[in-house]
Amino acid sequence: GQSLEQPSEVTAVEGAIVQINCTYQTSGFYGLSWYQQHDGGAPTFLSYNALDGLEETGRFSSFLSRSDSYGYLLLQELQMKDSASYFCAVRDMNTGFQKLVFGTGTRLLVSP
Amino acid sequence: ETGVTQTPRHLVMGMTNKKSLKCEQHLGHNAMYWYKQSAKKPLELMFVYNFKEQTENNSVPSRFSPECPNSSHLFLHLHTLQPEDSALYLCASSQDKREYTDTQYFGPGTRLTVL
Repeated sequence: GQSLEQPSEVTAVEGAIVQINCTYQTSGFYGLSWYQQHDGGAPTFLSYNALDGLEETGRFSSFLSRSDSYGYLLLQELQMKDSASYFCAVRDMNTGFQKLVFGTGTRLLVSP
Repeated sequence: ETGVTQTPRHLVMGMTNKKSLKCEQHLGHNAMYWYKQSAKKPLELMFVYNFKEQTENNSVPSRFSPECPNSSHLFLHLHTLQPEDSALYLCASSQDKREYTDTQYFGPGTRLTVL
């Protein structure tokens, strides 16, 4: 089966840089995704890594190391609106492409 | 606005009630999903539909009954629920390109409280 581990909460101040880690165990790996969810809102897709290395999208970057079964989401120039929960997810290849298995989420609190 | 809408946004029901949750996607996607999100737990996949056919039932109790009349609409019929079923129920859709980057788009969810 699949399992993912993330820290439950991270705090930072505006303008800072924060890294949210995710370690995973899967029977077959087809990439690591990241989703953001504000309180009361829908999870929204942030990024996807299939290969090792860093993917950058504006202030957000995502990193993957398949040999270490590890990835992280890097948020730069933090803003108050970045306060949200962040979930990493992998595909459950035992049942096909469609089943995403999510981590428990990391709650990011950005303070002034 | 993600293109996936859900109604109602909030629902309170007794254990003997029957209610339905509705999801509609305006993205032209072929796959639709129901997830359950409980406090301090990962999102749990409940059901997957591909081109209106159920392709995944993640060992969900029979008191939850999905219905997918077409690729744009998905329902979750609820009956004789338990208080532990109180959670946020999220609908999602995807193109189902059978590719690794088949991104799922989520609706805002229905906050369900079972008394």
